[in-house]
Amino acid sequence: AQSVTQPDIHITVSEGASLELRCNYSYGATPYLFWYVQSPGQGLQLLLKYFSGDTLVQGIKGFEAEFKRSQSSFNLRKPSVHWSDAAEYFCAVVPIYNQGGKLIFGQGTELSVKP
Amino acid sequence: DAGVTQSPTHLIKTRGQHVTLRCSPISGHKSVSWYQQVLGQGPQFIFQYYEKEERGRGNFPDRFSARQFPNYSSELNVNALLLGDSALYLCASSFGVDEQYFGPGTRLTVT
Repeated sequence: AQSVTQPDIHITVSEGASLELRCNYSYGATPYLFWYVQSPGQGLQLLLKYFSGDTLVQGIKGFEAEFKRSQSSFNLRKPSVHWSDAAEYFCAVVPIYNQGGKLIFGQGTELSVKP
Repeated sequence: DAGVTQSPTHLIKTRGQHVTLRCSPISGHKSVSWYQQVLGQGPQFIFQYYEKEERGRGNFPDRFSARQFPNYSSELNVNALLLGDSALYLCASSFGVDEQYFGPGTRLTVT
């Protein structure tokens, strides 16, 4: 079945430590790929996107993500986490065949940051 | 430029009532999508409209309906509310089929 999987429901990292959030997708063709962040009770903010080309994409707030076709993954990384990064992170895809641009989201990963 | 705006911010309704949620897209964006986010889950796609035409519909019952107006703003209507309809309803706008920009959401509580 077509799906987006974020294996980690909750991750806790220390401030200043590096971060990697995992995302895997299951589609026949490489979809458009996105990472969004959501603070409590808020809407979603786009961090970065991948459509094609360079597999390492840079986003806002110091985040980056790497697309690996062989692993059907699009993991989000940040070299040094700040306390303000604590939030819920969602990986999302738009299947290439979907002309409507419907976003399909993973379950989300909640990030906590220890001082 | 203003982002996506949604109204109201919060809403409390009783089972069986109906509700109308409103969304104004970013200026220049012609596509509006609606998502439902139940607590602890990722958003689920409900509808997408482009140039006032429905372009996609998610797996939601017919109690859910939407429309887009000539100024590209949109309404989401839900009839015969159930307790399970309690959620954050998110509106997103986009220029085409590229990245979608989300509003702050409307928190609907059904009692």
